[in-house]
Amino acid sequence: QVHLVESGGGVVQPGGSLRLYCAASGFSFGDSGMHWVRQAPGKGLEWVAFIQYFGDIKTHADSVRGRFTISRDNSKNTLYLQMNSLRPEDTALYYCARDGGGYDLDHWGQGTLVTVSS
Amino acid sequence: QTVVTQEPSFSVSPGGTVTLTCGLSSGSVSASSYPSWYQQTPGQAPRTLIYRTNIRSSGVPDRFSGSILGSKAALTITGAQADDESYYYCVLYVGGDIWVFGGGTKLTVL
Repeated sequence: QVHLVESGGGVVQPGGSLRLYCAASGFSFGDSGMHWVRQAPGKGLEWVAFIQYFGDIKTHADSVRGRFTISRDNSKNTLYLQMNSLRPEDTALYYCARDGGGYDLDHWGQGTLVTVSS
Repeated sequence: QTVVTQEPSFSVSPGGTVTLTCGLSSGSVSASSYPSWYQQTPGQAPRTLIYRTNIRSSGVPDRFSGSILGSKAALTITGAQADDESYYYCVLYVGGDIWVFGGGTKLTVL
């Protein structure tokens, strides 16, 4: 059974940094692409970043490119999102999701909340 | 910048049929956009309904179906039930390992 658990969220000041974690279990993590998706309070879903299974291909949405970096450690079954230069508009619930192999996101975690505020 | 469009809201009567759409601000949605659809109720993580245009995810009732209608992807719910009242999001693959979500449709069943 696929299980994704995000952590690392919290309150941070504008301009600050935070690292999110996604612990994966129940599937072969090293064979799966992974995504980060966020949802601002009361808003819709926004795709943030993708990393291929080896970690050699990483892509980011325009809104976070140059500030956020997705990475992974297959030996620890863990996905990361390093977030720098945070802005109030980055306030959101951040989900990790497994890439289903059909250009879809087939399993989702419950999310971790990031609040950027002074 | 690619914008994916969805109806902000829709309503359907219990037992009725509704089709939600997912389009591109410029251009057409095709099978190579690999449209997928997600259902989200408030306070819950999204649930995958449909991927690769028309493939139902495991456990999804067959009253949910996906297709391409004209220049848009479509999610049709046939025989809507009260617990289908939810938010529905599409996401399109726009190439280069980049995905874009639509703004979501709030579906009301009444």
